[in-house]
Amino acid sequence: NAGVTQTPKFQVLKTGQSMTLQCAQDMNHNSMYWYRQDPGMGLRLIYYSASEGTTDKGEVPNGYNVSRLNKREFSLRLESAAPSQTSVYFCATQLDDNTEAFFGQGTRLTVV
Amino acid sequence: QKEVEQNSGPLSVPEGAIASLNCTYSDRGSQSFFWYRQYSGKSPELIMFIYSNGDKEDGRFTAQLNKASQYVSLLIRDSQPSDSATYLCAVKIRGTGRRALTFGSGTRLQVQP
Repeated sequence: NAGVTQTPKFQVLKTGQSMTLQCAQDMNHNSMYWYRQDPGMGLRLIYYSASEGTTDKGEVPNGYNVSRLNKREFSLRLESAAPSQTSVYFCATQLDDNTEAFFGQGTRLTVV
Repeated sequence: QKEVEQNSGPLSVPEGAIASLNCTYSDRGSQSFFWYRQYSGKSPELIMFIYSNGDKEDGRFTAQLNKASQYVSLLIRDSQPSDSATYLCAVKIRGTGRRALTFGSGTRLQVQP
């Protein structure tokens, strides 16, 4: 029982390159989320998905796209990476709106 | 005003003391409150949740909720060096489309041996 699994753990990109961060969960949760964490800023919501086939913008969606492929998987895509997207990215799941969030181990992304 | 506010710290306490971490929130109608611990370079992990006014105890940890004053706190008794981490407060803010938890920026706790 792995919980929430993110890949990759580390990535360095050049400005303008694209990449996809993958997240998979085996908790059978409906809701999945992508956050970014920057020093002094806490966790900020990028996008979320309340169920398979639905996605919605969070607080900081610009420069990102997401795809909820099925109930288990929720991916985050950077089409043209910028240095401002250097951050630690966390995927999370919740059973429902009022329960705790479970986090993946994070992806540390550096854009140079 | 941030929706969830925490003092960034660091809060430094000696080993064996009580550490008190505080969090205030803006939405008076919020119903669900969570405390997470995050070690450096790791992901947040849930310590406790609280839904009702008053105290909730779990081992060395006590969460306190005061909805009238809009604050939630976490007390750590008999603090250990292994408790040194950043503690994140998270609140379920009401509102259409506000499905995710809203996190404070965290308080860094240092427990001195």
